[in-house]
Amino acid sequence: DAKTTQPPSMDCAEGRAANLPCNHSTISGNEYVYWYRQIHSQGPQYIIHGLKNNETNEMASLIITEDRKSSTLILPHATLRDTAVYYCIVRVEGSSNTGKLIFGQGTTLQVKP
Amino acid sequence: GAVVSQHPSRVICKSGTSVKIECRSLDFQATTMFWYRQFPKQSLMLMATSNEGSKATYEQGVEKDKFLINHASLTLSTLTVTSAHPEDSSFYICSASRKWRGEKLFFGSGTQLSVL
Repeated sequence: DAKTTQPPSMDCAEGRAANLPCNHSTISGNEYVYWYRQIHSQGPQYIIHGLKNNETNEMASLIITEDRKSSTLILPHATLRDTAVYYCIVRVEGSSNTGKLIFGQGTTLQVKP
Repeated sequence: GAVVSQHPSRVICKSGTSVKIECRSLDFQATTMFWYRQFPKQSLMLMATSNEGSKATYEQGVEKDKFLINHASLTLSTLTVTSAHPEDSSFYICSASRKWRGEKLFFGSGTQLSVL
């Protein structure tokens, strides 16, 4: 079972910031939070990941709360090409430490002109 | 950046035949590869985890004799759908990792399997 909960859908105006929330209240101390997105009929695309500190790269920013029970992915200036399903994933530790990713239902972000 | 190549991107086959899907890590050695399937309008479902040189670990409910996984080298894993039936029609996606802790997974572009 996925260890995260996300709103099923969100809208955002083109050019504005898109803030996608994620709850992961049962996260363990050494589990990372990953964000991927999937555009229709393609493989998931990596966006960003973090453990405790906030992270920023050329695509997005990741804000993790101090208690690590939730996070927010920020796309600073959303474009129409950012329309996709966004997945927030806590990377699971298996018995053999394989680090598999278990996908939840994600958030469908619709960027509108 | 690291690239995972998946082939073929689309395959149509007759019921009862077997289909092989390849997943290659192009510029890194993948100690672990994962196979997912995705039905329309649904999320990705993990099918199995494969480690180079050892047997794959299948998720609950996934038939290991139906979905044969081979990870013979650090750059190649294959998924064979044996005796395919229409209900096996799905989008299959592989991913690869150099190491798991704090390292992102790289995904292939997926294979759309249609069984007639």
